[in-house]
Amino acid sequence: QKEVEQDPGPLSVPEGAIVSLNCTYSNSAFQYFMWYRQYSRKGPELLMYTYSSGNKEDGRFTAQVDKSSKYISLFIRDSQPSDSATYLCAMRVLSGNTGKLIFGQGTTLQVKP
Amino acid sequence: DAGITQSPRHKVTETGTPVTLRCHQTENHRYMYWYRQDPGHGLRLIHYSYGVKDTDKGEVSDGYSVSRSKTEDFLLTLESATSSQTSVYFCAIKETDSGNTIYFGEGSWLTVV
Repeated sequence: QKEVEQDPGPLSVPEGAIVSLNCTYSNSAFQYFMWYRQYSRKGPELLMYTYSSGNKEDGRFTAQVDKSSKYISLFIRDSQPSDSATYLCAMRVLSGNTGKLIFGQGTTLQVKP
Repeated sequence: DAGITQSPRHKVTETGTPVTLRCHQTENHRYMYWYRQDPGHGLRLIHYSYGVKDTDKGEVSDGYSVSRSKTEDFLLTLESATSSQTSVYFCAIKETDSGNTIYFGEGSWLTVV
């Protein structure tokens, strides 16, 4: 079993829809959670990061962490065709400070005009 | 832009030949990483460095070696390339000024024939 599980999709939604992307994890030592967006043939770019349980909002994006359930989500409101990309969750432990990340396999999102 | 440059961006090589990928950064970051990305696996850590001449293995290090003789350069070497090493390789740095977040380069596409 992988430490981080993410539904690969693909996920197709109409423009303006609310999108929910999810990851589950098994290692309770993970304390630092990130979402990356990756356009085709580009490097991953950091969207959001959070240390704590609860919600963190940035514009149309909301990251949610539920440590008791080992479950994280990314919500995209009013989705746009420019949001079409692969979304990767990533996480790591805080101790040791090496910064090593464990990634989900990514969810491919298509937003149709 | 985290000031990361990867070279070459694209390479086709034959099985059994040595290959070196270079990651160059301009902002004096201490931590540097090499990941590979494959369908169904997401991003997986190959090796990382925490300073000049200080390196350590990641989860998929077999068949790869690294070197860091200067702060700004982190080299990934495939001593004898195999078809299973056909992949996209991403270099990353850890930026300590922004919550120890990890930023990625644009990738190097390697095909071993």
